[in-house]
Amino acid sequence: EPEVTQTPSHQVTQMGQEVILRCVPISNHLYFYWYRQILGQKVEFLVSFYNNEISEKSEIFDDQFSVERPDGSNFTLKIRSTKLEDSAMYFCASNPGLPSSGANVLTFGAGSRLTVL
Amino acid sequence: SQKIEQNSEALNIQEGKTATLTCNYTNYSPAYLQWYRQDPGRGPVFLLLIRENEKEKRKERLKVTFDTTLKQSLFHITASQPADSATYLCALVTPNAGNMLTFGGGTRLMVKP
Repeated sequence: EPEVTQTPSHQVTQMGQEVILRCVPISNHLYFYWYRQILGQKVEFLVSFYNNEISEKSEIFDDQFSVERPDGSNFTLKIRSTKLEDSAMYFCASNPGLPSSGANVLTFGAGSRLTVL
Repeated sequence: SQKIEQNSEALNIQEGKTATLTCNYTNYSPAYLQWYRQDPGRGPVFLLLIRENEKEKRKERLKVTFDTTLKQSLFHITASQPADSATYLCALVTPNAGNMLTFGGGTRLMVKP
């Protein structure tokens, strides 16, 4: 069964450092997402990406965050200067069709755990 | 904005019994409501979707109901097994925001043998 793969599975970084989390969405999917989950809290939407541009972003997704699809397969989330409160699981997800179809069922990756010290 | 409430307390049941989890939402009724399963340290996995014009949806031992009057969905697992132990997340589509998914906090289910 096709799956979304994420790397690294766990990254430890010092506050203020840049971090790049990588994702390989399912190959024929068109929409890509990043969500995060702080330990013990809800899964929260960060950003959606379609046709090489951001389609929606949440308040969490401030200037410190950016996303990129540098080639035909990878989808990355960059945090420019990490803060302690960025420590969380970051999930990449993808969707095969246009969300305007309404259902928007997502396939999630296993996540990248980011620990900021 | 839409609020989604799930019972944050863990639900403990005996193997073989039916587990019933609740999802309540405020404001508008979504066109679609989804249920996901999340295991510790893993990403959510899609289970079932129900449309606003559907009262009930079934998939094997799973059943979801959707009551737009009560603004509530119930998620049932019949003949529960220890392998069903996980956190179950309710999710709604936000139609005017790129159809992004908004998740509830989840309910942790523990099925004891």
